[in-house]
Amino acid sequence: DAGVIQSPRHEVTEMGQEVTLRCKPISGHNSLFWYRQTMMRGLELLIYFNNNVPIDDSGMPEDRFSAKMPNASFSTLKIQPSEPRDSAVYFCASSTTRSTEAFFGQGTRLTVV
Amino acid sequence: GIQVEQSPPDLILQEGANSTLRCNFSDSVNNLQWFHQNPWGQLINLFYIPSGTKQNGRLSATTVATERYSLLYISSSQTTDSGVYFCAVEAGANNLFFGTGTRLTVIP
Repeated sequence: DAGVIQSPRHEVTEMGQEVTLRCKPISGHNSLFWYRQTMMRGLELLIYFNNNVPIDDSGMPEDRFSAKMPNASFSTLKIQPSEPRDSAVYFCASSTTRSTEAFFGQGTRLTVV
Repeated sequence: GIQVEQSPPDLILQEGANSTLRCNFSDSVNNLQWFHQNPWGQLINLFYIPSGTKQNGRLSATTVATERYSLLYISSSQTTDSGVYFCAVEAGANNLFFGTGTRLTVIP
């Protein structure tokens, strides 16, 4: 298996622009997670889906952030409009069922200037 | 939410030395994982270990769920072991809470 695949690996954008991050989970996994890593806050959960349905989005910082999972093999995290404080590494992870091992993608390093 | 504390925060080792990293958590957990974040930022799975002991080469881990801690042992450390080691736990909400990590530097 190719593992969790994220794109792009790096994104540099100007403040105010829309940013879309993409994730393909491991085939057969039915839980998908979006995490953000910053120096100040470490790794924090933004949202997770189970069977394509958002279960907990309490970690999404504000309305500028939205996430979708239109099918079992694809998810997006969108920031509109982006701000410099959104600069971070965004990770996607997937697992099979509740309380089983989670696997992470390589992350997207976002820089908003 | 659940609290996850890792110690030490930083560790410098001479190549070939052994070390023990600790993870304490504040509540019962369903899942505990150890990850290694390498200098390129990749999060690499080391162990899925909600309880008991596992070994993989020079690494081993033990989780004592009743006492709410886990230990990661690194033996005969190598420079490629450098990076940040994270403990992450799941306590019923189906998402992982991460500790702040232990930054390990192995010098030749």
